[in-house]
Amino acid sequence: SQTIHQWPATLVQPVGSPLSLECTVEGTSNPNLYWYRQAAGRGLQLLFYSVGIGQISSEVPQNLSASRPQDRQFILSSKKLLLSDSGFYLCAWGLEISYNEQFFGPGTRLTVL
Amino acid sequence: GDSVTQMEGPVTLSEEAFLTINCTYTATGYPSLFWYVQYPGEGLQLLLKATKADDKGSNKGFEATYRKETTSFHLEKGSVQVSDSAVYFCALSDMNTGFQKLVFGTGTRLLVSP
Repeated sequence: SQTIHQWPATLVQPVGSPLSLECTVEGTSNPNLYWYRQAAGRGLQLLFYSVGIGQISSEVPQNLSASRPQDRQFILSSKKLLLSDSGFYLCAWGLEISYNEQFFGPGTRLTVL
Repeated sequence: GDSVTQMEGPVTLSEEAFLTINCTYTATGYPSLFWYVQYPGEGLQLLLKATKADDKGSNKGFEATYRKETTSFHLEKGSVQVSDSAVYFCALSDMNTGFQKLVFGTGTRLLVSP
């Protein structure tokens, strides 16, 4: 069966510090991968998606970047965090089928102080 | 672009009450529709889905029917439990870019009291 992992589960970082969040998927090959952010009391905003190794598409301009160094690894990064980067970050995977659902990881709670 | 509109929350109910959470959508083409649930501090879990008009998705006592004529996908449950307290997200699949993306509503918080 497929599983998706995210770490760390929680993170508190000062403004201006770097960020690296990791997501890995097991039990499937060549998944589509997604990073979402959920701000407090709000819905989900798609940040990045990837259809393959090294292929990243950004949905919104921002202070963050993403990379996919391996088929089942997706990394969200920042060189200098802003207060507005605080939120709950969710990684998800899906398959290249027109109506298939996405499967979400447990999330990382990021607080920037 | 495609969009999903959900009713504002929180929805507060007593145990065993009937639940309806409204969801309407705007889309070009024929999207698939989903309901996801998020329990406190956790990621999202797929609750149910429907892939074409008049399909009924169901799971754990929840159900929703894909109504193309009213562009709706309302979530219902006949008798809620305290353990159903969570945030519920309606979503549609968007294939306009040739790549499947999910468009989410803002979520509706459900609070069930004993």
